Amino acid sequence: DTGVSQNPRHKITKRGQNVTFRCDPISEHNRLYWYRQTLGQGPEFLTYFQNEAQLEKSRLLSDRFSAERPKGSFSTLEIQRTEQGDSAMYLCASSLVGQKGNTIYFGEGSWLTVV
Amino acid sequence: GQQLNQSPQSMFIQEGEDVSMNCTSSSIFNTWLWYKQDPGEGPVLLIALYKAGELTSNGRLTAQFGITRKDSFLNISASIPSDVGIYFCAGQLWTSYGKLTFGQGTILTVHP
Repeated sequence: DTGVSQNPRHKITKRGQNVTFRCDPISEHNRLYWYRQTLGQGPEFLTYFQNEAQLEKSRLLSDRFSAERPKGSFSTLEIQRTEQGDSAMYLCASSLVGQKGNTIYFGEGSWLTVV
Repeated sequence: GQQLNQSPQSMFIQEGEDVSMNCTSSSIFNTWLWYKQDPGEGPVLLIALYKAGELTSNGRLTAQFGITRKDSFLNISASIPSDVGIYFCAGQLWTSYGKLTFGQGTILTVHP
């Protein structure tokens, strides 16, 4: 499977704990994105990287959230001191800049439940 | 900020019927995308539209990029049970490449 890969697929954590999600993009893609989706809503943009540089962050990305892409390949999204409002599906996506229209492909998502 | 209004919110149809859904925006987009999402899974790209007026097909699916660049529609012909899912439209601006703005989704139910 050469699509966008995310893990873990599901995570249940207690409020106040830290969690980390990993994303492996499509191998030749140089842009990587994180989105968040809550039940009944469309995905909302959080941040994106071009290679290892984080180029844009949404105001949804509070200071408890940090994303990295250290070598321009895989990325991690860490949430510190989780709150119940963080419960959502976290989607990773990737694209190839220069490819027609910058078409974005999503992974299967990582479900977070904070109890 | 930009918002996409997607309609209808849900549809209940019989197998074999055609389906039409649309998306409108308060401002223009340079790219329109249509995704399908199954429960617990990520969105899967169905059709991408890059030019105003463009009409593109993918099997039984047809989508069009509105001439005003503020709207798009998706048609599904001869629906089958596996078409069940949530369909999302998404718009993208060249000035904010990568930041997709999504509609609220259309929930499609197909009765055999």
